[in-house]
Amino acid sequence: TQLLEQSPQFLSIQEGENLTVYCNSSSVFSSLQWYRQEPGEGPVLLVTVVTGGEVKKLKRLTFQFGDARKDSSLHITAAQPGDTGLYLCAGDEYGGSQGNLIFGKGTKLSVKP
Amino acid sequence: EPEVTQTPSHQVTQMGQEVILRCVPISNHLYFYWYRQILGQKVEFLVSFYNNEISEKSEIFDDQFSVERPDGSNFTLKIRSTKLEDSAMYFCASSVTDGTVTGYTFGSGTRLTVV
Repeated sequence: TQLLEQSPQFLSIQEGENLTVYCNSSSVFSSLQWYRQEPGEGPVLLVTVVTGGEVKKLKRLTFQFGDARKDSSLHITAAQPGDTGLYLCAGDEYGGSQGNLIFGKGTKLSVKP
Repeated sequence: EPEVTQTPSHQVTQMGQEVILRCVPISNHLYFYWYRQILGQKVEFLVSFYNNEISEKSEIFDDQFSVERPDGSNFTLKIRSTKLEDSAMYFCASSVTDGTVTGYTFGSGTRLTVV
């Protein structure tokens, strides 16, 4: 079974700071997805990266998929209190329609005003 | 924006009882999934469903679990004889096509508490 390690587990920063969250595995994934989860709610998809080396930007969020498709990062520029939440990476283990996503444990981000 | 709807939001049941968790996926989605998240732990895959049959299931999805699409809109997860360790948030998800590329839309979950 493939594992996804996320780091850091917790991150507390001041508004305006930049941060990077990492998602690493020793195995190759067909794709990597990033979700944000609020307490008591389901994960909400932020982005899917499919191609090795791919970079996607979503406003102040930049997502990168490693060249070897084993790792990914999420960079937030000028963090705001509204960015506070749990960020999850999830890898598609086999691809196709099976939907067997492997989730990391998440990074709990707190942005203080 | 289209949503995946799950009912009930909370369910408390006695050990050994049967429960049915219900989901209404997004209407034009063809692939359906169940995941669960035990408190404080990772989200875990249970089962995927396409074309009226199970595509893949995890080790967690044993004989106590079953899924069904009884009509054109509902997708259900049944646990026949609940155990204390079945207590968790259960999330339904759907995707229009290969979720590898498009990602998955998750519902808000059903919190199941087995007492």
